[in-house]
Amino acid sequence: SQTIHQWPATLVQPVGSPLSLECTVEGTSNPNLYWYRQAAGRGLQLLFYSVGIGQISSEVPQNLSASRPQDRQFILSSKKLLLSDSGFYLCAWGSTGTYEQYFGPGTRLTVT
Amino acid sequence: KQEVTQIPAALSVPEGENLVLNCSFTDSAIYNLQWFRQDPGKGLTSLLLIQSSQREQTSGRLNASLDKSSGRSTLYIAASQPGDSATYLCAVTTSGTYKYIFGTGTRLKVLA
Repeated sequence: SQTIHQWPATLVQPVGSPLSLECTVEGTSNPNLYWYRQAAGRGLQLLFYSVGIGQISSEVPQNLSASRPQDRQFILSSKKLLLSDSGFYLCAWGSTGTYEQYFGPGTRLTVT
Repeated sequence: KQEVTQIPAALSVPEGENLVLNCSFTDSAIYNLQWFRQDPGKGLTSLLLIQSSQREQTSGRLNASLDKSSGRSTLYIAASQPGDSATYLCAVTTSGTYKYIFGTGTRLKVLA
């Protein structure tokens, strides 16, 4: 069966510090991969998605970036965090056939 | 531009009631629609996926219907239980894209 992992689970970082969140998927190959952010009291905002290694599409202009160095690994990064980057970050993988999405447990990021 | 709306934003019902959650979307050219459940501080759990050619899907006490022409989907929960308390989100993906557009969710509370 397929499993999706995210780490860390929680993170507190000062403004201006770098960020690296990692997501890995097991049990499937060539999945579509997604990064979402969920701010307090707001809906899910799609940040990035990838349909293959090295293929990244950005949905929202911001100081975040994403990379997909391996088929089942998706990384969200920032060089300098802003207060507005605080939120709940969710990684998801999607079936290339049905497009059904499956979510990881999320990372709670607080920028202080 | 696809927009997804969920009404009501919050709902509180006594245990045992049957209930209906609503999801509407503005562009009927969807590829599929997916219903999710989110517990506080957790990732999203996939409940049901309805492909555009289908009218409904069932899983246990859950039944989701889709009416593309009217831009609506409903999630029916039979014999609600306190364990059903969570936020329920619907999301649609449009033909030709890999992206999901999410509604803002319905926060359900089932009282014992």
